Amino acid sequence: DQQVKQNSPSLSVQEGRISILNCDYTNSMFDYFLWYKKYPAEGPTFLISISSIKDKNEDGRFTVFLNKSAKHLSLHIVPSQPGDSAVYFCAASGDTDKLIFGTGTRLQVFP
Amino acid sequence: EPEVTQTPSHQVTQMGQEVILRCVPISNHLYFYWYRQILGQKVEFLVSFYNNEISEKSEIFDDQFSVERPDGSNFTLKIRSTKLEDSAMYFCASKPGQTFTGELFFGEGSRLTVL
Repeated sequence: DQQVKQNSPSLSVQEGRISILNCDYTNSMFDYFLWYKKYPAEGPTFLISISSIKDKNEDGRFTVFLNKSAKHLSLHIVPSQPGDSAVYFCAASGDTDKLIFGTGTRLQVFP
Repeated sequence: EPEVTQTPSHQVTQMGQEVILRCVPISNHLYFYWYRQILGQKVEFLVSFYNNEISEKSEIFDDQFSVERPDGSNFTLKIRSTKLEDSAMYFCASKPGQTFTGELFFGEGSRLTVL
């Protein structure tokens, strides 16, 4: 049951450049989409979310884009910083408040 | 900054033993959750809890699992008879009210190793 998929297990980006993390979903009934960041030995930390009625949400260096027709969302981080190196999880919620997570993408930002 | 705290950080147990994982959610939060992540896999929903009762549970959350909020501050997950496949990182999470943005506040996790 892979309702939320992150097909890239890892991504490596140079400091200062843009990081683009992608996520696909199958359930058109999802209301909210979220990105969480996770460092080793820590719990997931909320980063940014977007409602299904919007196509873009921006918060500082982080922007999430939603393409409902393609059932695809992406997280853009610009400029990328070494401290952004972490595992990024895409998640979605629908008519209940449980989150359905993707498998995560490990981002490494190198100097 | 208020945070969700979990104990123990790591527990090793023998198969068939009972385990209790403890969580102290953020004090004014009303909704509580347990998620788990088996090594190398995605974070999976186990159960949600509100107003002293389970709101929703996944198919993972079978009769071997139970949750309790015994004293108004702690939120516990009990696994009655652990199996090897219960080995995972267990995350407690909470949120203040019935928001629909999905933002949850997670603890650092309790790693359970079943031998």
